[in-house]
Amino acid sequence: GAGVSQSPSNKVTEKGKDVELRCDPISGHTALYWYRQRLGQGLEFLIYFQGNSAPDKSGLPSDRFSAERTGESVSTLTIQRTQQEDSAVYLCASSRGQGSAEAFFGQGTRLTVV
Amino acid sequence: DQQVKQNSPSLSVQEGRISILNCDYTNSMFDYFLWYKKYPAEGPTFLISISSIKDKNEDGRFTVFLNKSAKHLSLHIVPSQPGDSAVYFCAAKTSGGSYIPTFGRGTSLIVHP
Repeated sequence: GAGVSQSPSNKVTEKGKDVELRCDPISGHTALYWYRQRLGQGLEFLIYFQGNSAPDKSGLPSDRFSAERTGESVSTLTIQRTQQEDSAVYLCASSRGQGSAEAFFGQGTRLTVV
Repeated sequence: DQQVKQNSPSLSVQEGRISILNCDYTNSMFDYFLWYKKYPAEGPTFLISISSIKDKNEDGRFTVFLNKSAKHLSLHIVPSQPGDSAVYFCAAKTSGGSYIPTFGRGTSLIVHP
């Protein structure tokens, strides 16, 4: 596609349920990033993919969070047993993966845990 | 510990005047810097970047200045327009390694007509 696409745009879930967030990066972009932005906060790095591998998962806040990428394309971020503090906008970005290449962001998924 | 700091959460400017958004960083390994602009309910969009081998990069009304010795960069918008009202994020990364951009917390710019 022309840009990074994320789905769903909004998700309301009950505490304790699992959620899956999807990201379709720009075709040909080898690098894919997940960030989240909690209310009033900056962009918090979660995980980085180069191809289908995740060399840096250092930002995942707990073992309830996991992500995968297949076909060097689509990525899914899964949050198990959601908690209210997981409420945030989850942003996906992709880039050509080169040092000077800028990352292009999707519109984000607003997750609300009630 | 924040490696990229935007110490001003908000900035209010009159239309036509200059907007100056500041950013400081602590990691001396950062050698590439980017500014992103974010409107509500949208993802951040890339605005302008600068490599550490330069001290200035200009694109239309937007200019980014880099002071490596002070580990400081700034974004100048001249003249400011109401449509520039948005949250501006500063980001930094190393050109080697994983290229993961590290973001600041953002500065909300309001340009008054």
